[in-house]
Amino acid sequence: SAVISQKPSRDICQRGTSLTIQCQVDSQVTMMFWYRQQPGQSLTLIATANQGSEATYESGFVIDKFPISRPNLTFSTLTVSNMSPEDSSIYLCSVEDTGGAGEYFGPGTRLTVT
Amino acid sequence: AQSVTQLGSHVSVSEGALVLLRCNYSSSVPPYLFWYVQYPNQGLQLLLKYTTGATLVKGINGFEAEFKKSETSFHLTKPSAHMSDAAEYFCAVRRPSGNTPLVFGKGTRLSVIA
Repeated sequence: SAVISQKPSRDICQRGTSLTIQCQVDSQVTMMFWYRQQPGQSLTLIATANQGSEATYESGFVIDKFPISRPNLTFSTLTVSNMSPEDSSIYLCSVEDTGGAGEYFGPGTRLTVT
Repeated sequence: AQSVTQLGSHVSVSEGALVLLRCNYSSSVPPYLFWYVQYPNQGLQLLLKYTTGATLVKGINGFEAEFKKSETSFHLTKPSAHMSDAAEYFCAVRRPSGNTPLVFGKGTRLSVIA
């Protein structure tokens, strides 16, 4: 299994500002994923982040709004840019199980935009 | 494309009663299947997973699920509900090949009544 931490755990931000969320894993992993969970909803994949290459974004998500960095095999960041109240969500990072089945999730970052 | 349908956004059971959370999937290839649990204000925790082999899989906290290919189902059960089982439960699917992310259902909120 993998132990994943996220910073910050929660934040309240003003509209128009940006927030960078950090995700740290206790082991080297190839794939890292970023999800959004809007209030009362399921998880929606934002993008897949591979070390050494650009992130792959899902339909409806763009790099200008959600830039992602993946500088090494244990760390990634997601930035939520030019925030609006609609961006209020829980943002979760996950890593793939080394056995290739399933993912381990971080505790999430609860973002509120006012 | 893969998809997951969870029947019932909210299920309520009495303490000690059987828990049954329903999940049906759609996949063009035999999938890997998962159940995750999310306790209030926490991240996702893997309950159990099916990849290959025995179709009845046992997970943590007394939960189990049975993969039924003919019914394209992966229902989650627990013989006797505890108050601590109250949480949101997500069924997820992914293709077994390649680095593909999970596709989640909309979730089922389980309430346990004393």
